[in-house]
Amino acid sequence: DTEVTQTPKHLVMGMTNKKSLKCEQHMGHRAMYWYKQKAKKPPELMFVYSYEKLSINESVPSRFSPECPNSSLLNLHLHALQPEDSALYLCASSQDQVVGTTTGELFFGEGSRLTVL
Amino acid sequence: AQKITQTQPGMFVQEKEAVTLDCTYDTSDPSYGLFWYKQPSSGEMIFLIYQGSYDQQNATEGRYSLNFQKARKSANLVISASQLGDSAMYFCAMRERSGSRFSGNTPLVFGKGTRLSVIA
Repeated sequence: DTEVTQTPKHLVMGMTNKKSLKCEQHMGHRAMYWYKQKAKKPPELMFVYSYEKLSINESVPSRFSPECPNSSLLNLHLHALQPEDSALYLCASSQDQVVGTTTGELFFGEGSRLTVL
Repeated sequence: AQKITQTQPGMFVQEKEAVTLDCTYDTSDPSYGLFWYKQPSSGEMIFLIYQGSYDQQNATEGRYSLNFQKARKSANLVISASQLGDSAMYFCAMRERSGSRFSGNTPLVFGKGTRLSVIA
């Protein structure tokens, strides 16, 4: 099983709504990532969890709140978003503390396409 | 800080021909990995090929090969025998190692991408 599953695939929300994006992997990976991708741009890192602890926060506004309840799940809680937050949100996972010749690639989900009205 | 440069915003290639997508990188870390991903219009990022900074040989995976020139800090992707299904965005990316390890503290950093269009 080499899948990263993201739900929902599409989400439309108003600026006052609270919603969550979910990500799940069963590959035993201990590093999980949230990336944000605007149209025609590369993915930009938002958060990294390593062994269920937040290890990187790329100065993301507090209206985005990540959560890693266990080693298989990663959530992104959304509250009071702005229209400019509309984007594709990609979740990824990888092995952590990978030694030597292992390639260390990230495995991505299909993304959650978010529209903020 | 690491940096990835892809200078070709868009490329066209005839079906069954080979195409080279350019990527240069900059890092002060002697140990790193270079990756190429494909992103179709559906949005999923698909891992294609990996090259380690200490690898002696260029990586190959089926129709994909990586032309790695370490001294020039370039890692160009070569796609042979292009197919219509190869039409997509292609991203070059890099991870630095922390000591000898990839870790959650060394995430993937992407270049701006190249949009490849394969023409029948």
